[in-house]
Amino acid sequence: KAGVTQTPRYLIKTRGQQVTLSCSPISGHRSVSWYQQTPGQGLQFLFEYFSETQRNKGNFPGRFSGRQFSNSRSEMNVSTLELGDSALYLCASSSRTDEKLFFGSGTQLSVL
Amino acid sequence: LAKTTQPISMDSYEGQEVNITCSHNNIATNDYITWYQQFPSQGPRFIIQGYKTKVTNEVASLFIPADRKSSTLSLPRVSLSDTAVYYCLVGAMNTGFQKLVFGTGTRLLVSP
Repeated sequence: KAGVTQTPRYLIKTRGQQVTLSCSPISGHRSVSWYQQTPGQGLQFLFEYFSETQRNKGNFPGRFSGRQFSNSRSEMNVSTLELGDSALYLCASSSRTDEKLFFGSGTQLSVL
Repeated sequence: LAKTTQPISMDSYEGQEVNITCSHNNIATNDYITWYQQFPSQGPRFIIQGYKTKVTNEVASLFIPADRKSSTLSLPRVSLSDTAVYYCLVGAMNTGFQKLVFGTGTRLLVSP
């Protein structure tokens, strides 16, 4: 069974630009959640989608948004990038029938 | 929200048993305790999960006392490849992803 796939692996952007990250969950998993990981703040929850609906949202500004498609693939968008948005962005999928998260390898975003 | 505390780092030698403790004083009744392992440039990987007492799988054991205010991940006979960061996660997806609390991580260094 293929794992969670995130693309791209690395991104370099400049302040003010926007970026879209993609996540393909494990086959059969309908829940996709997104996290920001930084050395200073650790792992922080962004949002979770289930069956194309945002079910849970973390404490991030509206510049961070996402969506989920009918095949459960998900995208995350960050608009008007700031230097502080530099981080490893992780997505995780789950079946929601157990309490296990399966993470992708992440997208390392650098904002210059 | 449960607040979690882990040691920042631990050192060990190959073949030794390593115990990493996570404190979570405000754990809620429905919360699970899950441990993840993360290598550089990769997403966290599920190790073990428990609710109370002791859980054992092929790679680790998890000890949870009756009051559930802490948990201990036990790695038997560590090898160099166990050098990684270990996170405890407290919460339950079904009560809200925004309530999931990741620990700050324990950096384990295994030496020959």
